[in-house]
Amino acid sequence: DAMVIQNPRYQVTQFGKPVTLSCSQTLNHNVMYWYQQKSSQAPKLLFHYYDKDFNNEADTPDNFQSRRPNTSFCFLDIRSPGLGDAAMYLCATSFNIAKNIQYFGAGTRLSVL
Amino acid sequence: GNSVTQMEGPVTLSEEAFLTINCTYTATGYPSLFWYVQYPGEGLQLLLKATKADDKGSNKGFEATYRKETTSFHLEKGSVQVSDSAVYFCALKDSNYQLIWGAGTKLIIKP
Repeated sequence: DAMVIQNPRYQVTQFGKPVTLSCSQTLNHNVMYWYQQKSSQAPKLLFHYYDKDFNNEADTPDNFQSRRPNTSFCFLDIRSPGLGDAAMYLCATSFNIAKNIQYFGAGTRLSVL
Repeated sequence: GNSVTQMEGPVTLSEEAFLTINCTYTATGYPSLFWYVQYPGEGLQLLLKATKADDKGSNKGFEATYRKETTSFHLEKGSVQVSDSAVYFCALKDSNYQLIWGAGTKLIIKP
């Protein structure tokens, strides 16, 4: 059974049109992460939530925002997607920061036209 | 700063060949080390991990030993299958509990 679920698997948006990607988890983990992964590269951490505490990476553009309305759900909002934002977006969870075995969803592949 | 270096891919092998994917790291202290695998079109899955020196992580026929003296965590498998074709990422957990990733190594297994 899928434990970290990302929807949709594929998302197409237009240049500058806001888009939201969603992630849900059934693990009841405290921490949720969003990564950006471009082709043939390692995942790049954008931000994470520890419970309701939001932690933004220093080099994450302001164009990327996130919301976590409850333990199970986390959203990635891209306010004005550019062509350079086309990538795979991965959601991950972990029980806590220290244990840090991260469980990943299947990802959402975002295309920007 | 902390970093992970993996051998460049793609690595192409025939089925039943022996696999080694090299991974070395730079870190202060004693980081935990991980191997993740990403099958085509999918997210990452934890393959194995080791939390202290001389620990051996193993899973699905893959093994890696935490070598403090050589700062290495090489991934090995005795006999690969076509289904092992994927991208393999080595990673460490730094003192801020964030994962530091290698660039990934694409593995192609030919029948």
